[in-house]
Amino acid sequence: AQTVTQSQPEMSVQEAETVTLSCTYDTSESDYYLFWYKQPPSRQMILVIRQEAYKQQNATENRFSVNFQKAAKSFSLKISDSQLGDAAMYFCAYRRGGATNKLIFGTGTLLAVQP
Amino acid sequence: DTGVSQNPRHKITKRGQNVTFRCDPISEHNRLYWYRQTLGQGPEFLTYFQNEAQLEKSRLLSDRFSAERPKGSFSTLEIQRTEQGDSAMYLCASYPSGTENTGELFFGEGSRLTVL
Repeated sequence: AQTVTQSQPEMSVQEAETVTLSCTYDTSESDYYLFWYKQPPSRQMILVIRQEAYKQQNATENRFSVNFQKAAKSFSLKISDSQLGDAAMYFCAYRRGGATNKLIFGTGTLLAVQP
Repeated sequence: DTGVSQNPRHKITKRGQNVTFRCDPISEHNRLYWYRQTLGQGPEFLTYFQNEAQLEKSRLLSDRFSAERPKGSFSTLEIQRTEQGDSAMYLCASYPSGTENTGELFFGEGSRLTVL
């Protein structure tokens, strides 16, 4: 069975600094996708960034980028120039290829941004 | 607002009562998912629909739980004879089938259940 592990329950970063959130996963599949979702307090979860396993290039979305190490099954999220609005719970998620689109989530990392 | 809508946002009930949650997905999305999120955990998959067909159910979905999507639009999740262990946030998400490469689920704000 596929699993997703986030080993950092909480992280803190100073405004304008850079922070990296860790995620590892376990799968025997070759076709899969990885995601980082952001869940602000009392608000809906939104997609931050997505990575297809077949792509070697790391995904980037503005201040958000990933370090995808396929052999190590590692998928970390880097947030540059952190802003107060980045404070939220961040979930790493895995989805195998195919039609189901069922996501498997990690336990999350609560990110605090200090002014 | 054309996002995923869930009602009620918060439900407090006594053990043994039945509760029902409703989810209205984004209108053109034919796939609908239910997840459960307990404190300190990530969301766990419960079930999903493609149009009105329920295609997969998790083992987490005991026989006290039933989900429907009768006309392929909104969905309901009913929990019968609630237990304290059912206390959680129930999340609904939708997805536009036909755009397989994105994988992005669109989530609602969730329905929080508290069983006393």
